[in-house]
Parts: sequence; C-alpha cells; structure tokens
Amino acid sequence: SQQGEEDPQALSIQEGENATMNCSYKTSINNLQWYRQNSGRGLVHLILIRSNEREKHSGRLRVTLDTSKKSSSLLITASRAADTASYFCATVRWGGANSKLTFGKGITLSVRP
Amino acid sequence: DAGVTQSPTHLIKTRGQQVTLRCSPKSGHDTVSWYQQALGQGPQFIFQYYEEEERQRGNFPDRFSGHQFPNYSSELNVNALLLGDSALYLCASSFSGGYQPQHFGDGTRLSIL
Repeated sequence: SQQGEEDPQALSIQEGENATMNCSYKTSINNLQWYRQNSGRGLVHLILIRSNEREKHSGRLRVTLDTSKKSSSLLITASRAADTASYFCATVRWGGANSKLTFGKGITLSVRP
Repeated sequence: DAGVTQSPTHLIKTRGQQVTLRCSPKSGHDTVSWYQQALGQGPQFIFQYYEEEERQRGNFPDRFSGHQFPNYSSELNVNALLLGDSALYLCASSFSGGYQPQHFGDGTRLSIL
C-alpha cells in the first residue's frame, strides 16, 4: 500500500516559473525523500530531509517538512524544460536513508519551453 | 564508475512461466532492494538483501523470491507469473554504512501475455 499522496497529480508550467509539489503521508517517519523519474527510466534521488529537519536546499530545489501535519513540499525554482518528469515523494518509517521506501503515486510535471 | 545495472531491459513471458531478473549494484554498495512499479503508479517495495540475506520484505506473495551473491549482485525470481505481474521492476543499491540514499537502475520492463 502507498503511504504518501502527492498533490497535484499533474502540473503544467512555463519555463522559468516555479513549481511547487506537495506530499502528505500517514505514519511517523525517520526521513522523507524526493525522487525524479524520466519516462521509462529509473528514479533519480533529488533530496532527503530527516524528521528533525524543517527545510533543506539543493541547487534549485527547496524541500520543507512539517511532521505535525505529516506533509512535505518540493519547490523547483526557475524551471527548465529538462525538469519535465514524474516526481515522487517516498518515506522511510524505520531505519536510515537506505531502508524500505514507501512511495506515493507521483506528480507529472510538464515544463513548456 | 558504473551505476546500478539491470538485465534484461525488456522481457515478455506468458502466464504460469517463471522469470529471473538480475541486478549489479553500484560500486561500493552492499545492499540491494527490489521494487515493482505498475503503469501510472509509484514503486512498491518487494524486499531488500544485505549480507546475502533477506533483511526486509514488503507485501508480496512467496512467488517472489530473491538472492544476493557474495559480490553483492542480486536476482529477483517470480514463479507462476500472473497478468498482474506486468510492471517495471526496479533494483536499487545502497551502502549500509552512513546515511546515504538508494541509487536506482533503469529497470526491467516485464510484460505478461
């Protein structure tokens, strides 16, 4: 069963705009991770945030975590056509960063040139 | 430095047959996890292998079994294939020490006729 639910399910924006994607989950977690998947390919790890952290940045990515609301958001700034992909949030309930990942259904992001 | 490699890339089988999928982890990684991703869904955790033993298992029937070899490579075996087993099977590797995320291969696309 899937732990997380991403919102919206699909997002279409113009190149240069910011993209915000949300994720909600159901149980307590050790950490939450965001992955990107290009069509027909494997998943690429984007960023990890631990349960005791509230915000992290990596390049054009900013992720926040609110454990009281069991939710996270991923912000991609100054989007590019190459950011077109599916994005998944995944939670780890117990263990470290490499433990069992429970994924949501994903968000399809389209960035128009 | 090669990443996670999976073989074959595509496979077509018929109901009732058996299949073996293979995964070579990224250099330096000692832990291998397998995920099943149905079309339009997020990946679902099947199991994880470490030190040649199954360390964690998801909600999959016994028809799904695995193995890890001394060189850390891994196999996923599925017996008595069902139409519902059609999916992208993803292998992910990681290092057990430290707090590092999993790296995914590009998957094996399995189609059941």
